[in-house]
Amino acid sequence: QPVLTQSSSASASLGSSVKLTCTLSSGHSSYIIAWHQQQPGKAPRYLMELERSGTYNKGSGVPDRFSGSSSGADRYLTISNLQSEDEADYYCETWNTNTRVFGGGTKLTVL
Amino acid sequence: EVQLVESGGGLVQPGESLRLSCAASGFTFSSCVMTWVRQAPGKGLEWVASIDYTGTTSYYADSLKGRFTISRDNSKTTLYLQMSTLRAEDTAVYYCAKLNLGSGSVDYWGQGTLVTVSS
Repeated sequence: QPVLTQSSSASASLGSSVKLTCTLSSGHSSYIIAWHQQQPGKAPRYLMELERSGTYNKGSGVPDRFSGSSSGADRYLTISNLQSEDEADYYCETWNTNTRVFGGGTKLTVL
Repeated sequence: EVQLVESGGGLVQPGESLRLSCAASGFTFSSCVMTWVRQAPGKGLEWVASIDYTGTTSYYADSLKGRFTISRDNSKTTLYLQMSTLRAEDTAVYYCAKLNLGSGSVDYWGQGTLVTVSS
């Protein structure tokens, strides 16, 4: 089954950009992933799904500041013009027929 | 508007059972695969189980097989999670989630219900 690896933490300044990484395990580099945001004390929120090609489809209401890209087994979430409300945990997710996997999450701090 | 509203959480003792419910609205429930995901305090997201749109086929995390049962009632647009022989390590917020019809990703989450297993 696939495994997703994320850095545990990241930080960036208000108004700047940050790129978060989710890495698929060997043999699973073609998998589609999804990114989810979890603000403190809230339920997760779906941001987008992201293909190996770099094509992404965002959820309803997700700001244009959020974008996705891919390179090999790496899937990226880029947040531009960081706002204070972007301080959150970010999880990637992937799946196959009979299982679903989440990365360990990246805690993003906005300085 | 898609809405997923979980209920049934609470404090239970080790070894007891509990059934969670998730009332769905705002989409064609009977056409969607549904899933449960949990989050232990201060930890990340952990997939629990998924069920196909008819309720015929279900899948479980290996660590939970035999203790948890996912089911659905399409006539009531409600998803269930029956949990038995609960352990302290099952303490978590349990989220109901809808899967995207096309790709299979989670595309909507409920607000969650807290289950605490403690004596």
